[in-house]
Amino acid sequence: AQTVTQSQPEMSVQEAETVTLSCTYDTSESDYYLFWYKQPPSRQMILVIRQEAYKQQNATENRFSVNFQKAAKSFSLKISDSQLGDAAMYFCAYLNYGGSQGNLIFGKGTKLSVKP
Amino acid sequence: EAQVTQNPRYLITVTGKKLTVTCSQNMNHEYMSWYRQDPGLGLRQIYYSMNVEVTDKGDVPEGYKVSRKEKRNFPLILESPSPNQTSLYFCASSSWTGGAVGYTFGSGTRLTVV
Repeated sequence: AQTVTQSQPEMSVQEAETVTLSCTYDTSESDYYLFWYKQPPSRQMILVIRQEAYKQQNATENRFSVNFQKAAKSFSLKISDSQLGDAAMYFCAYLNYGGSQGNLIFGKGTKLSVKP
Repeated sequence: EAQVTQNPRYLITVTGKKLTVTCSQNMNHEYMSWYRQDPGLGLRQIYYSMNVEVTDKGDVPEGYKVSRKEKRNFPLILESPSPNQTSLYFCASSSWTGGAVGYTFGSGTRLTVV
């Protein structure tokens, strides 16, 4: 079974600085998707960024970028120029490509604090 | 506006009193799913549905029921709620290209069973 591990329960960053959140996963599949979701205090789940495993190029969305290392099964999220609004829980998630799409599998989350 | 609507947002109930949490999406998505979120455990899937009249168990289905009679609706039913079902619940939906665009989540339902 696939698993997703986020080893940092909490992280803190100074405003305008850069922070990296870690995520590792375990799968025997070769094709899959990876996601980072943000959950602010409003508890809404917001998609931050996604990566297709067959693409070698790392995904980027404005200040958010990933470091996808397929062989190492690692999928870290880098937030540049951190803003107060980035404070939230961040969840890494895995999804099998095609097939049943039965389950978006989440890590346990990393709580990010941003200091002014 | 494309969205997943969950109701209610907050619910306090007593042990054993049947309840239903509704979920509706307006994006004509085939796939819908229910998750529960607990501190330190992330989100865990309860049930999912690939299309109308097609449902299957997720990782933590015990104590829950679902139905998918219409494409847009996917209610979560707790026949006899217990305190260990106190949690934050999310409904999510996606098209068959779910991996390409990610899943859309509802705003969550905070359930407390006393």
